[in-house]
Amino acid sequence: DTGVSQNPRHKITKRGQNVTFRCDPISEHNRLYWYRQTLGQGPEFLTYFQNEAQLEKSRLLSDRFSAERPKGSFSTLEIQRTEQGDSAMYLCASSLVGGYTEAFFGQGTRLTVV
Amino acid sequence: GEDVEQSLFLSVREGDSSVINCTYTDSSSTYLYWYKQEPGAGLQLLTYIFSNMDMKQDQRLTVLLNKKDKHLSLRIADTQTGDSAIYFCAEMGNRDDKIIFGKGTRLHILP
Repeated sequence: DTGVSQNPRHKITKRGQNVTFRCDPISEHNRLYWYRQTLGQGPEFLTYFQNEAQLEKSRLLSDRFSAERPKGSFSTLEIQRTEQGDSAMYLCASSLVGGYTEAFFGQGTRLTVV
Repeated sequence: GEDVEQSLFLSVREGDSSVINCTYTDSSSTYLYWYKQEPGAGLQLLTYIFSNMDMKQDQRLTVLLNKKDKHLSLRIADTQTGDSAIYFCAEMGNRDDKIIFGKGTRLHILP
């Protein structure tokens, strides 16, 4: 296993278009997180899953954002009708619930909305 | 809601010790973390401390936790140019297990 994988690494899209990102967590990890990081800021929590259940969704996430983890393995984050303010690095992390839980982060998907 | 605060910049001479400070608000925090992010790279977990510990040492890194004051610090001994990065403090709450990050401290190494 090579760690948390995110695709694509970079995405440039026109304002108003929809985009979808994918995250493949470490195989035995049952918890999966999505974060957004803009320049000069720390990662902001967006949402997280335990297996296929979405446990919490941040108030930062407008109705244009939706995340799924249909089979409790990979996850997708979709942004509809993108706006320039959505430009950011979108980070995914996974961990194993129980005992000490270290969250491993992927390299992120950098979204640029033009 | 939960909040994590840290100073934005720190400049240290090469060979000196760096001390990065962090405060948090969630009294139910179970784990506190220090992550490192180098330019263009992902987040790398440096070290963590469980909330019932006061101190943890790992080679050049020393983490101190004052749970009463909700204060966490990271000391890097013998700071090297390779330590130049942004350091994020983060905490995991007991109630919901989500990890909340501070805005990061940019560590600049002076020759």
